[in-house]
Amino acid sequence: AQKVTQAQTEISVVEKEDVTLDCVYETRDTTYYLFWYKQPPSGELVFLIRRNSFDEQNEISGRYSWNFQKSTSSFNFTITASQVVDSAVYFCALSSYSSASKIIFGSGTRLSIRP
Amino acid sequence: NAGVTQTPKFQVLKTGQSMTLQCAQDMNHEYMSWYRQDPGMGLRLIHYSVGAGITDQGEVPNGYNVSRSTTEDFPLRLLSAAPSQTSVYFCASSYDRALNNEQFFGPGTRLTVL
Repeated sequence: AQKVTQAQTEISVVEKEDVTLDCVYETRDTTYYLFWYKQPPSGELVFLIRRNSFDEQNEISGRYSWNFQKSTSSFNFTITASQVVDSAVYFCALSSYSSASKIIFGSGTRLSIRP
Repeated sequence: NAGVTQTPKFQVLKTGQSMTLQCAQDMNHEYMSWYRQDPGMGLRLIHYSVGAGITDQGEVPNGYNVSRSTTEDFPLRLLSAAPSQTSVYFCASSYDRALNNEQFFGPGTRLTVL
């Protein structure tokens, strides 16, 4: 069975602080994909990143970075120098190659950035 | 391109009523899915389709029916609405299974069942 755990329900930090959102996943598949989505207060879902199981390189995109570690089944997301606009609910998600249309989402982490 | 569109944006039903949530995409995507989002539970997959004429169940299919007669449309039917189906419903589509491309989400339908 596949499962995604986001243990941090809510995080609140002051603007300009760095913050890391944790994601731990479970799967028996050898080929799988991991995702992060952002859901701002307006409610839409915004795709941030996809990572496949064969690519363990960390990725950086501006203030965002992702740390994928297969050894610990984790795919953590760090925002550097956070801004108020980063306030949102962030979802980590998992799908397997064999069931590509079935994406399993974590329960989300609500991030609040205080000015 | 309009992307993924959903109608209606809001809907209130009484217990036992039926309705269809509409979803359409104009990106020629093969894959389409329906999710529901409940507080504290993230998104859960209801049904999905890998192409016209092909559908399958997700995590929480009970109480919902789907069909995929065209590539563009993937309606979700509630045959007899129950208060437990109060939720926000998202439709999503994606292009390529092998690459498991980004899923594009619609804006959501907020459904309340009284």
